[in-house]
Amino acid sequence: DIQMTQSPSSLSASVGDRVTITCRASQSISSYLNWYQQKPGKAPNLLIYGASTLQSGVPSRFSGSGSGTDFTLTISSLQPEDFASYYCQQSYITPRTFGQGTKVEIK
Amino acid sequence: EVQLVESGGGLVQPEGSLRLSCAASGFTFSGSWMSWVRQAPGKGLEWVANIKEDGGEKYYLDSVKGRFTISRDNAKNSLYLQMNSLRAEDTAVYYCAREKGYCSGGSCYFYFDFWGQGTLVTVSS
Repeated sequence: DIQMTQSPSSLSASVGDRVTITCRASQSISSYLNWYQQKPGKAPNLLIYGASTLQSGVPSRFSGSGSGTDFTLTISSLQPEDFASYYCQQSYITPRTFGQGTKVEIK
Repeated sequence: EVQLVESGGGLVQPEGSLRLSCAASGFTFSGSWMSWVRQAPGKGLEWVANIKEDGGEKYYLDSVKGRFTISRDNAKNSLYLQMNSLRAEDTAVYYCAREKGYCSGGSCYFYFDFWGQGTLVTVSS
């Protein structure tokens, strides 16, 4: 199975900050990497697929980059509604696997 | 509007059984791979199983193989997860999700673009 490791596990930031979350795969997954946002008590919401393609309806302050084993999710200017948990997920092979999550909290 | 609505969760004793259902609407269910993804309380997301459009291929997380069975009824636009020999570590919110594929330049990218609201399964004596 491919292991996905996110860093950091949590971070504190202020509204307007630029935030970067990293995801590393245990082997190369090309660009088969997706990012999700999850708020407490809610289902995950797709942000980015194919490492860098923004899902329809997702604000342009979210962006993704990377290929192979190293990927990043960037929020260019953190908004109040962005305080949530974020997960990466590989779709290179089955079983699909997720990172352990990154919780973005208010500083 | 796409909707996925799970049902069937509840409290069950260890070694017991439960059948989850997911009713789909707003998209061509028979043309979509579907998955179950779970989340233990306070923990991260864990993919459990998926099934091809016609039900001809099914894949499982190793820890549920032989205990869980994914199935679908395209005539009823419904996805199912039969869970047997349940363990405490199966306690989680179970989500059904559509796995969409997007093909470009010879590569096909898959992602979970729609999710249900989840149903809680608690395994405890």
